Amino acid sequence: ETGVTQSPTHLIKTRGQQVTLRCSSQSGHNTVSWYQQALGQGPQFIFQYYREEENGRGNFPPRFSGLQFPNYSSELNVNALELDDSALYLCASSPRLAGADEQFFGPGTRLTVL
Amino acid sequence: GENVEQHPSTLSVQEGDSAVIKCTYSDSASNYFPWYKQELGKRPQLIIDIRSNVGEKKDQRIAVTLNKTAKHFSLHITETQPEDSAVYFCAASIESNFNKFYFGSGTKLNVKP
Repeated sequence: ETGVTQSPTHLIKTRGQQVTLRCSSQSGHNTVSWYQQALGQGPQFIFQYYREEENGRGNFPPRFSGLQFPNYSSELNVNALELDDSALYLCASSPRLAGADEQFFGPGTRLTVL
Repeated sequence: GENVEQHPSTLSVQEGDSAVIKCTYSDSASNYFPWYKQELGKRPQLIIDIRSNVGEKKDQRIAVTLNKTAKHFSLHITETQPEDSAVYFCAASIESNFNKFYFGSGTKLNVKP
């Protein structure tokens, strides 16, 4: 198992609400990427944080936002939840920008929007 | 942007047989191609990867091949075992570009004992 942890494990929200998901990166890793994995699909890149700055973003609307803290842990915030936001949210940490083979996924947070 | 297509979506093989999963990508700038295994309810785990400067890479029963000209790459699993049953994802990225991975839609592999 990797040292990447996520909380909570599961979450149920209703449309229009806001949610915050958390990720603790592996020790020594300063880069965190977030992915959305809908049921039966591959993960889709949301954005990445490197040393507390957003460092690349996928095709997700601005209501998906994030933060990275000085200890390199990270949050994913989603405002105005929609039914289609129901998915497994994965974070992945790596020690630096390059070295994709050193990017390790957390266990994910299962978000259900009713 | 990059588009990765993966086939087949499901694959059922007998224990001991080989399994092949194929992916195509659209962006010729992609230069790194990892494969992930995801068991039910668990996180994706990297099983093998290949960079565009090589055509083939092996790790015991697993191999990956890459054809840059045709923009396709494949995962080969030999002597399959029931514990190989899982969903497999291919991905493509430009390694210098924030490690932004574009994933295929996944292949559910079922190895029958």
